Amino acid sequence: NAGVTQTPKFRILKIGQSMTLQCTQDMNHNYMYWYRQDPGMGLKLIYYSVGAGITDKGEVPNGYNVSRSTTEDFPLRLELAAPSQTSVYFCASRPLGEKLFFGSGTQLSVL
Amino acid sequence: DQQVKQNSPSLSVQEGRISILNCDYTNSMFDYFLWYKKYPAEGPTFLISISSIKDKNEDGRFTVFLNKSAKHLSLHIVPSQPGDSAVYFCAASRLNSGNTPLVFGKGTRLSVIA
Repeated sequence: NAGVTQTPKFRILKIGQSMTLQCTQDMNHNYMYWYRQDPGMGLKLIYYSVGAGITDKGEVPNGYNVSRSTTEDFPLRLELAAPSQTSVYFCASRPLGEKLFFGSGTQLSVL
Repeated sequence: DQQVKQNSPSLSVQEGRISILNCDYTNSMFDYFLWYKKYPAEGPTFLISISSIKDKNEDGRFTVFLNKSAKHLSLHIVPSQPGDSAVYFCAASRLNSGNTPLVFGKGTRLSVIA
């Protein structure tokens, strides 16, 4: 009963590098989300998806891209990493009208 | 422009006493409210929710109260236990208007002192 799985748990990037944060869920949820949490701040929505093939920008989408080719997977891509992207990233999913289930997070540092 | 506000960054309570965490919102279209609990190095976990058609929802030691006219909700934990020490996030959504994504407050760090 895995739920929402995020990889990697930790990553250090150099400025300008790119990487993909992986997220997969095994609950057959249509809705998936990427949030970031900065110290002392709440969770800010980066991108979300209401189903395979459909994605939408959230509050802070700049510098990120997503894709949703399957119901299970919702990877988040950073193209040109910047220090402002140092944060903890959480992926989440939910069925229609229900609560969010979160992954355990990816701690990313850009130096 | 914060739509969900948790104005107390931290709260300390003695074990056995009541913890009251507060949350205010500005968007009158929100109709579904949730509280999440987060331990260090873990993802947030769902605690309790309330629909705008209710003014109270109770689950064991946790009760959420909703005052729609004041756009205010609160989470009561009675009695507080050391294991309740965590960051608590208030969140809101427009469930009946397209199932919009949750909007989160900044969180309140609760410390329960033994």
